[in-house]
Amino acid sequence: EVQLVESGGGLVKPGGSLRLSCAASGFTFNNAWMTWVRQAPGKGLEWVGRIKSKIDGGTTDYAAPVKGRFSISRDDSKNTLYLQMNSLKTEDTAVYYCITYGSGSYAGGYYYYMDVWGKGTTVTVSS
Amino acid sequence: QSVLTQPPSASGTPGQRVTISCSGSNSNIGSNYVYWYQQLPGTAPKLLIYRSNQRPSGVPDRFSGSKSGTSASLAISGLRSEDEADYYCATWDDSLSGWVFGGGTKLTVL
Repeated sequence: EVQLVESGGGLVKPGGSLRLSCAASGFTFNNAWMTWVRQAPGKGLEWVGRIKSKIDGGTTDYAAPVKGRFSISRDDSKNTLYLQMNSLKTEDTAVYYCITYGSGSYAGGYYYYMDVWGKGTTVTVSS
Repeated sequence: QSVLTQPPSASGTPGQRVTISCSGSNSNIGSNYVYWYQQLPGTAPKLLIYRSNQRPSGVPDRFSGSKSGTSASLAISGLRSEDEADYYCATWDDSLSGWVFGGGTKLTVL
């Protein structure tokens, strides 16, 4: 069974930093694309960024609101995904979800999608 | 302001069929598959529909998805009280090079 367990959330002051972790199990982590999505209190879902598997280049993409401040990395030896958050703002307050991708093929190639979600970890940015 | 547009709320009585719409543009829904997620109160979202109209194993066939042009919809037939949740559509946006979500639709079972 696929399991994703986020940790590292907490209270941090504006301008501060925090690193979230996501421990993965139940699937071949080093082959998986991973992503982070956040949800501000009482609001909808917002994509934060993703990291591809090393075999697919290991590249990262980020949403505009976090680009240059957040960084996604992975340690395949530990089956762990990370989200380093710097220069935090009050608007970064949210539950952060770690998600693994599913994939499939069609006549034109492959498609990837957000599949299994962790339970989330809460980040509060406040003075 | 979400890139994809969903009605903020929908409702129905047990046994009814309800539909939730999701509107986008050529750079997102018009070019890519649509995905639907169900978020029950106090829980993490769960994949409901993938590749616009496919159900993961374990999702009842009461749930169905469709896509036409730059719009998509989720239909729930035989509505049950446990379907009361928030529903989100999502897809990749080629112009933004990122995933985009609808603002979510809160479904109430009357």
